[in-house]
Amino acid sequence: TQLLEQSPQFLSIQEGENLTVYCNSSSVFSSLQWYRQEPGEGPVLLVTVVTGGEVKKLKRLTFQFGDARKDSSLHITAAQPGDTGLYLCAGTGANSKLTFGKGITLSVRP
Amino acid sequence: NAGVMQNPRHLVRRRGQEARLRCSPMKGHSHVYWYRQLPEEGLKFMVYLQKENIIDESGMPKERFSAEFPKEGPSILRIQQVVRGDSAAYFCASSPSTGSLQETQYFGPGTRLLVL
Repeated sequence: TQLLEQSPQFLSIQEGENLTVYCNSSSVFSSLQWYRQEPGEGPVLLVTVVTGGEVKKLKRLTFQFGDARKDSSLHITAAQPGDTGLYLCAGTGANSKLTFGKGITLSVRP
Repeated sequence: NAGVMQNPRHLVRRRGQEARLRCSPMKGHSHVYWYRQLPEEGLKFMVYLQKENIIDESGMPKERFSAEFPKEGPSILRIQQVVRGDSAAYFCASSPSTGSLQETQYFGPGTRLLVL
C-alpha cells in the first residue's frame, strides 16, 4: 500500500513569514500533485510535478519533486492570510488513481 | 470552460434509503474518479471509470455501492441502504484522455452526504 505522509500536520504563522512543508513516501510515484482545499469545497489543483528534481514556481509558491520521485516540498514566501487552507499532496499510482496524504492545515495570521 | 460539476451539493438520507450522487466531468474529459473524504481523514480512492467501463473499483466497498458512467449523461455513484457510516464528502474528479496532463485530475465541489 502506498502511503504519503505530510508534515507538519498543523502550522500557524504570522503574515510575511516564509514556510516549507513536506510530503514524503517510501514509494515511487509517476507524478505528484498539490491541491489546496477550502472548507466545504473540493480540492483545487495547484501544480503537477512529473520529473525527478523538478522545481515549479507559482507566484510565491515553490514546489519541488524529489530526485527519486518519492517526496515533495512546498515553500511559501511571505505568506499572506489568503494562503490559509488545507494543502494536500497526492501521488499518482497504478490506473491513475491518486493516493492522498492527510493534508497540512495552514493558518496565516494578519 | 466549466469545471467538474457535482449535484446535489448536500444530501440528507435516513438509514436504509438510497443515495444517488451525480458527476459531470469537464468538457473533453472522459476519465472519471470518485473519492470519499471522511472527517479527519484524507481522500480515499473509490473507483475509476471511463465511458461505459469500470477500470478500477478496488476502493469500493463490496456491498451497497455501485458506480456507472454511461455513454450519455453524468457519472452516478449509488449507495443503497445507507448507514450512518456512509456520512462523508464524496468527490468526483476528471482527467483528459490523452496528453502530458493525462494524470492530472480536476475535482468537483463534492456532495456532502449526511445519513440520519
